[in-house]
Amino acid sequence: EDQVTQSPEALRLQEGESSSLNCSYTVSGLRGLFWYRQDPGKGPEFLFTLYSAGEEKEKERLKATLTKKESFLHITAPKPEDSATYLCAVRNTYDYKLSFGAGTTVTVRA
Amino acid sequence: GAVVSQHPSRVICKSGTSVKIECRSLDFQATTMFWYRQFPKQSLMLMATSNEGSKATYEQGVEKDKFLINHASLTLSTLTVTSAHPEDSSFYICSARDPVSDSNQPQHFGDGTRLSIL
Repeated sequence: EDQVTQSPEALRLQEGESSSLNCSYTVSGLRGLFWYRQDPGKGPEFLFTLYSAGEEKEKERLKATLTKKESFLHITAPKPEDSATYLCAVRNTYDYKLSFGAGTTVTVRA
Repeated sequence: GAVVSQHPSRVICKSGTSVKIECRSLDFQATTMFWYRQFPKQSLMLMATSNEGSKATYEQGVEKDKFLINHASLTLSTLTVTSAHPEDSSFYICSARDPVSDSNQPQHFGDGTRLSIL
């Protein structure tokens, strides 16, 4: 069974204070690791897809990286609008289902 | 971009009522749709996978007779919570797979339905 573990559970940052979120995974044949952002009372919003170890993707203040066992989401100089829950998910080579981690709730104070 | 519309966004009803939630793909054909349940501060738990024109595949522990799923067209899937009770109160989210954009973005999510059973 595919498993995804995210840490920390919650992260409180001062505006401009860079940090990283961790996503550890085990999957029977990785066919993509995905990062989503979820705001309260909303569905997940897609951020990145990573397929192979060493791959990196960037979008504004966010950068996602991937190794064979984990992925990191780096937030550089965060702003209050970056406050959200960040979800990590994996998909295996057998079906189209996603297995999600519990998420990291990021709060950025001005 | 691909848009998924979920309706209603919030439902409050009495125990014993059946509630239907709709999930529509607005600008693409979704051969596969997914239904999730999310408890506060927890992750999305997959309930079932539905394929257009065939029976849904339910995850272990999900009651088929309680959560009826219909995927009658390539743009619409419905989840009916039958004879809902307070323990069914939760945040339900649907998603849809667009075969055209699957390699970049595997699922497009709706904005969820907050179900509260009194």
